[in-house]
Amino acid sequence: DAGVTQSPTHLIKTRGQQVTLRCSPKSGHDTVSWYQQALGQGPQFIFQYYEEEERQRGNFPDRFSGHQFPNYSSELNVNALLLGDSALYLCASSRQGWVGYTFGSGTRLTVV
Amino acid sequence: AQRVTQPEKLLSVFKGAPVELKCNYSYSGSPELFWYVQYSRQRLQLLLRHISRESIKGFTADLNKGETSFHLKKPFAQEEDSAMYYCALETNAGKSTFGDGTTLTVKP
Repeated sequence: DAGVTQSPTHLIKTRGQQVTLRCSPKSGHDTVSWYQQALGQGPQFIFQYYEEEERQRGNFPDRFSGHQFPNYSSELNVNALLLGDSALYLCASSRQGWVGYTFGSGTRLTVV
Repeated sequence: AQRVTQPEKLLSVFKGAPVELKCNYSYSGSPELFWYVQYSRQRLQLLLRHISRESIKGFTADLNKGETSFHLKKPFAQEEDSAMYYCALETNAGKSTFGDGTTLTVKP
């Protein structure tokens, strides 16, 4: 099992553009959460998807949206990119029941 | 609002010494608490969770609801324990909050 896989690993975008990040959860996991991690800070919760619906959302603007597919994989979309969106974006998967998360290695997004 | 505070950004101990990484939280309900660890050039991974009351790699963590703390402890630190440690809180609705982490260095 490859665990949680994220693509791409690195991405450079221009301010105002849109970006899509992808995540495949660990086998057997049905819940996907997305986090933004700025340098020197802990992961900040963006949202969680379960049964193809957004279950919970953190304090992020509507420019951040997501989707979960029937195979449990997920996408994070960010519109109208700002310089401040530059960060490491982490995907984590789990199954229901407070078992903790398995993290991917992240996508490093740079907005120029 | 929920919040997790790790008061020490850096912590340095000698090999064989006891280590305690502090975590304080605020949340009005009954959260679940976790510790995650990130070793150099590796991805973030779950170390232990309160609900299972387990000891992993010699680490334990006790939830103190009165002091709203979930400190991570190990009686005898090893050099391989050097890493970044994150305390995290999750609500029963699935919203999680991480602290900003503590970098632990265990010196030989």
